[in-house]
Amino acid sequence: GENVEQHPSTLSVQEGDSAVIKCTYSDSASNYFPWYKQELGKGPQLIIDIRSNVGEKKDQRIAVTLNKTAKHFSLHITETQPEDSAVYFCAADDEKLTFGTGTRLTIIP
Amino acid sequence: EAGVAQSPRYKIIEKRQSVAFWCNPISGHATLYWYQQILGQGPKLLIQFQNNGVVDDSQLPKDRFSAERLKGVDSTLKIQPAKLEDSAVYLCASSLVPDYTGELFFGEGSRLTVL
Repeated sequence: GENVEQHPSTLSVQEGDSAVIKCTYSDSASNYFPWYKQELGKGPQLIIDIRSNVGEKKDQRIAVTLNKTAKHFSLHITETQPEDSAVYFCAADDEKLTFGTGTRLTIIP
Repeated sequence: EAGVAQSPRYKIIEKRQSVAFWCNPISGHATLYWYQQILGQGPKLLIQFQNNGVVDDSQLPKDRFSAERLKGVDSTLKIQPAKLEDSAVYLCASSLVPDYTGELFFGEGSRLTVL
């Protein structure tokens, strides 16, 4: 089955700086890669996703890049704000979504 | 639009007892999922329903876990008997599309503590 590794497990950045979270996956058949944000006491919420026929996708301050050859994809958040503090999960689809272990992002005011 | 509703939010039981969780998905969403999220880990799929039929229950520990979705709407997840390692948040999610390439809408989860 699919195996998704996510790094780092924790990340602290100054408000206004950029944050990058990286994931690798094992199954070359995976073709859908979403990112979910989970705030304390809430369920995960989709923030951006990318499909295998696209190398990069951007939505305001959030972008995702995908390298299918190397089997890795990354989440980029620019101009970070305090409300970006949360746990972020990457996931890969090989008939079912396999989630990474999460990155706790803390934005320092 | 109302989101995915789950209850109870919190439950504390002793090992070997039973517990049930309820989920009401977003109206019109035919696909419903139950995930288990152990502290510090990502959600792990337990079971997927399409309407009231099971699509994938390969990771459901069937000796103690059961789930049903009667009439293709609400769903219940039951654990009997509970073990210490079942302590986790149980997340219900629903989606419009029948596969994983669409947005999953998660509820706030039911936190289970087994003593």
